[in-house]
Amino acid sequence: AQSVTQPDIHITVSEGASLELRCNYSYGATPYLFWYVQSPGQGLQLLLKYFSGDTLVQGIKGFEAEFKRSQSSFNLRKPSVHWSDAAEYFCAVNGGGSYIPTFGRGTSLIVHP
Amino acid sequence: DTEVTQTPKHLVMGMTNKKSLKCEQHMGHRAMYWYKQKAKKPPELMFVYSYEKLSINESVPSRFSPECPNSSLLNLHLHALQPEDSALYLCASSQPGTTLYEQYFGPGTRLTVT
Repeated sequence: AQSVTQPDIHITVSEGASLELRCNYSYGATPYLFWYVQSPGQGLQLLLKYFSGDTLVQGIKGFEAEFKRSQSSFNLRKPSVHWSDAAEYFCAVNGGGSYIPTFGRGTSLIVHP
Repeated sequence: DTEVTQTPKHLVMGMTNKKSLKCEQHMGHRAMYWYKQKAKKPPELMFVYSYEKLSINESVPSRFSPECPNSSLLNLHLHALQPEDSALYLCASSQPGTTLYEQYFGPGTRLTVT
């Protein structure tokens, strides 16, 4: 069975500071990994995805994520956070040919001016 | 066009009402999903349609009735709901049978049951 852990419920950063959101997954083989962002009252928007190849993937809005097989992690990073990045961030995993993702519980990002 | 649209944006209904939520996509995706999301929680899968056939029902109460009239449309019919059914209802689509399993989500319908 596949599972996702986002250990941080809330993360608070100052505008302009760097950001790293943690995601750990459990799956026997190489999974498909995703990060989604959800602004208040909105649907989920795909930020980036990893299937294979280069372990550092670039996404929209200046985000990137690094797949580390040895640590079963897929952490999301951004070098300089903007106030508009305040939102809920969900990590998700697909594996075994299933097209049904398993979502992590989410991390709420708070940005201080 | 990578857009999934949902109507209405907001819906308030009494426990004896019948209403429907609508979802539409024109990306040619053949898998469509209904999710229920409570505040500060991840989306919970309710139903999956694959090639217009119901493939997954996550033990959802019968007061929720999905329908997929064609490959672009997905409806969720609501009847005799309970206050605890108040939530954001999200529709999503993806293309099965490929390596691209990412889902495209609509903006959701905010449902309040009074």
